[in-house]
Parts: sequence; C-alpha cells; structure tokens
Amino acid sequence: QSALTQPPSASGSPGQSVTISCTGTSSDVGRYNYVSWYQHHPGKVPKLMISEVNQRPSGVPDRFSGSKSGNTASLTVSGLQAEDEADYYCSSYGGSNNILFGGGTKLTVL
Amino acid sequence: QVQLVESGGGLVKPGGSLRLSCEASGFTFFSDSYMTWIRQAPGKGLEWVSYISSSGSARFYADSVKGRFTISRDNAKSSMYLQMNSLRAEDTAVYYCANLHWYSTNVWGQGTTVTVSS
Repeated sequence: QSALTQPPSASGSPGQSVTISCTGTSSDVGRYNYVSWYQHHPGKVPKLMISEVNQRPSGVPDRFSGSKSGNTASLTVSGLQAEDEADYYCSSYGGSNNILFGGGTKLTVL
Repeated sequence: QVQLVESGGGLVKPGGSLRLSCEASGFTFFSDSYMTWIRQAPGKGLEWVSYISSSGSARFYADSVKGRFTISRDNAKSSMYLQMNSLRAEDTAVYYCANLHWYSTNVWGQGTTVTVSS
C-alpha cells in the first residue's frame, strides 16, 4: 500500500494558524476514522497529538485540532509557538490490517 | 509511569539476523494491549513495521518485511520481540516499540538503532 501524501513543508509566524494536509484514498483515510497525527522533534520520541481524526490526548494543547473531509485529513495548529517547530506525521488505518504513514511535514515557525 | 525500553539493535551484515526486545514497565495493562514496531530510516519518515494482538494470536506485517520479520510477545515478562532475518540495507533504521490503541500509539520507547552494512 502507498504512503499517505503530506506536503514536505509548512510555515507560519508566531501567533498565526497553519494547516497540514494528509491525503489518502477512499480505502484508507476516506473509509476509516482512524487518522492520527504525531509531532516529532529530531532526536526525540514521536508524540501523539491527535487520534481518531479529532481526539486530543490528555496534555496536548487545544491549539492542535484535527479534521477530515473525504480522503483528506488535516491538522491545524493555532496560535503558533516556537516549540511547535517539528516534523508532523499523519497515519491512518489502511484496511487489511495495514497501518499507513504520511511522508511527514516539516513545520517551521518563522 | 509507563515506560517502554528497546534493546538488541546493532550493526549486522546484509543477510544477517537480529532480535529486538521491548520491555514494558509501569504498564499495568500490557497484557491487554496491542503492541507495534515502527521504524524510521535515516532522513526518512516513520514506517509501520508490524503489530501484534494482546494475546499474541494475531500478527500483522508491512509488505516490506513480510516473510523476513517475526513479531512475538511474552506477557508474563511484559515484553515484545522482533526477530529480523535476511536483513537488507534498507532495513537500516531506528526501531521504536509502542502500544497500539485504535491504530494510534501514545506510548513510545526511545528507539534502538539497527544498521545493516557490510
């Protein structure tokens, strides 16, 4: 199965909002509400930011939100802060017991 | 505090084998949890490798490792394993173990590095 498609980079100034997309197909993102988003600072362990499309785990700031429309899921970071600069990965259940990841998006806070 | 600790990584020649271990501590519900291995090759993104049901009876693999890797677990030892055979250069990566809940992971180990090179 193919990986999910994410833009390689995104950027925004402190305080602004930025949205990262994650495009799959009708067999994965479009079919299942099992889309997750991870934040990964280089050299550290990935951190779950959003599960099941729009569920925020305890401890994750409400500046982070998730949504889905058709075959595309999105992560929105509002009120950008310097510490939000990281790589972000989406993942989705792909059916047939497969889990797919996106290629990752490097978020730069200008 | 829940903690996952991987071990067993190292340098191995192409075609060789390696067995990774993941030990859980403070993880009261380990035996009730699905567990997974995820890897990240140098300069690349995250890639799901394999996952295993709570009892160990169901095991699933990415196409890239199917037939070469075997996932297993020992709930009595709160541990999970990944036996990697016929290793290739493209298996070079940091391997993370993590829990799996509705296809997302919220507890990750610190990772163990596997390098396949002659």
